[in-house]
Amino acid sequence: DQQVKQNSPSLSVQEGRISILNCDYTNSMFDYFLWYKKYPAEGPTFLISISSIKDKNEDGRFTVFLNKSAKHLSLHIVPSQPGDSAVYFCAASLNSGGSNYKLTFGKGTLLTVNP
Amino acid sequence: GAVVSQHPSWVICKSGTSVKIECRSLDFQATTMFWYRQFPKQSLMLMATSNEGSKATYEQGVEKDKFLINHASLTLSTLTVTSAHPEDSSFYICSARDWTGVGQPQHFGDGTRLSIL
Repeated sequence: DQQVKQNSPSLSVQEGRISILNCDYTNSMFDYFLWYKKYPAEGPTFLISISSIKDKNEDGRFTVFLNKSAKHLSLHIVPSQPGDSAVYFCAASLNSGGSNYKLTFGKGTLLTVNP
Repeated sequence: GAVVSQHPSWVICKSGTSVKIECRSLDFQATTMFWYRQFPKQSLMLMATSNEGSKATYEQGVEKDKFLINHASLTLSTLTVTSAHPEDSSFYICSARDWTGVGQPQHFGDGTRLSIL
């Protein structure tokens, strides 16, 4: 049972435009959501996170939106740059109840930003 | 930013060999580290949670006698794949939880590509 789903395996965007990466989850107990970026042969790099008590968090070109009722979050990258081309993983965490802050990952979305 | 170093980055060895992988948090203390395994075109699958000074907690289906984890200090956790066989070939990644960061994110090493002949 996949608790975190990224239904788009790939996304292609023109440089300067907006990239929107989507993620759905099934466990309503998740209380933190994170986005990671991964280049080939490297470990994931933490990008941005959002608490379940918020609906938006912004950091520079990256904004994460959370819709708890729909169990959906998205990552917006504006403007997109060729260096943003990578695999983006959505992850969810239970930060309470002795869960040990384990992360549950989606399968990732390959973003390609074309010059 | 937070840095996690994982070593070695690539190992090729014969079947039956035991392989140790190290994971270090370089600029922060990590009471909790995690070990993941990633198969091609799949997501990261959590294998075990490593807590400093105590036994690791393994996920269902992960053999604890096969994958030995030691977290002897606040900056170092090791994963030993004992008597490795070809089916153990995979990409192993560690992470360390930064308890001082907002949301306490995990920061990842660059992974170890393990190939068993």
